[in-house]
Amino acid sequence: EPEVTQTPSHQVTQMGQEVILRCVPISNHLYFYWYRQILGQKVEFLVSFYNNEISEKSEIFDDQFSVERPDGSNFTLKIRSTKLEDSAMYFCASKVRVDSPLHFGNGTRLTVT
Amino acid sequence: AQTVTQSQPEMSVQEAETVTLSCTYDTSENNYYLFWYKQPPSRQMILVIRQEAYKQQNATENRFSVNFQKAAKSFSLKISDSQLGDTAMYFCALDRRDGGSQGNLIFGKGTKLSVKP
Repeated sequence: EPEVTQTPSHQVTQMGQEVILRCVPISNHLYFYWYRQILGQKVEFLVSFYNNEISEKSEIFDDQFSVERPDGSNFTLKIRSTKLEDSAMYFCASKVRVDSPLHFGNGTRLTVT
Repeated sequence: AQTVTQSQPEMSVQEAETVTLSCTYDTSENNYYLFWYKQPPSRQMILVIRQEAYKQQNATENRFSVNFQKAAKSFSLKISDSQLGDTAMYFCALDRRDGGSQGNLIFGKGTKLSVKP
């Protein structure tokens, strides 16, 4: 069964550094998402992406965040200048249609020191 | 505002027994989807079951079934014949359908289920 693939599984970075989290959604999917989960808390929506543009973003997704689908297969989340509070598990997800269930990747654990 | 509430932070069940996890939600939409996701210690998010609000029949997937009460805005998950591998965090989620949303999920805080041998 096709899967959403995320790399790396764990990323450690220093505060103030830029970080890029990478995702390869399922190939025929058209809707792409990033969610995050701070340890011990619920999963929170960050951003959705469709037709090569952001369709919706949450309050968390401020100017420090950006997303890109550079080559038709990868879907990346960039944090320009990481803060300690950005430490979390980041999940990429995709779905084929707007009314389909979301398929999540295994997540990238980001640790900001 | 749309919300999802899971009132049981933790639950435990004996292996082979049945357990029910509660979830209530609030939405002004008439058509929406509800989901249960499982998150084992590996922290992967695994879809357990999905319910479409316009369907009266409760969804079932093998040992997993839901009790969907639309008027009460309740969506509980029943796990029958619990197995040790069911030990995980379980999240209830609502698929937003308001004002042009692309169907982003709103999650509850989760219920940590422990299955004891």
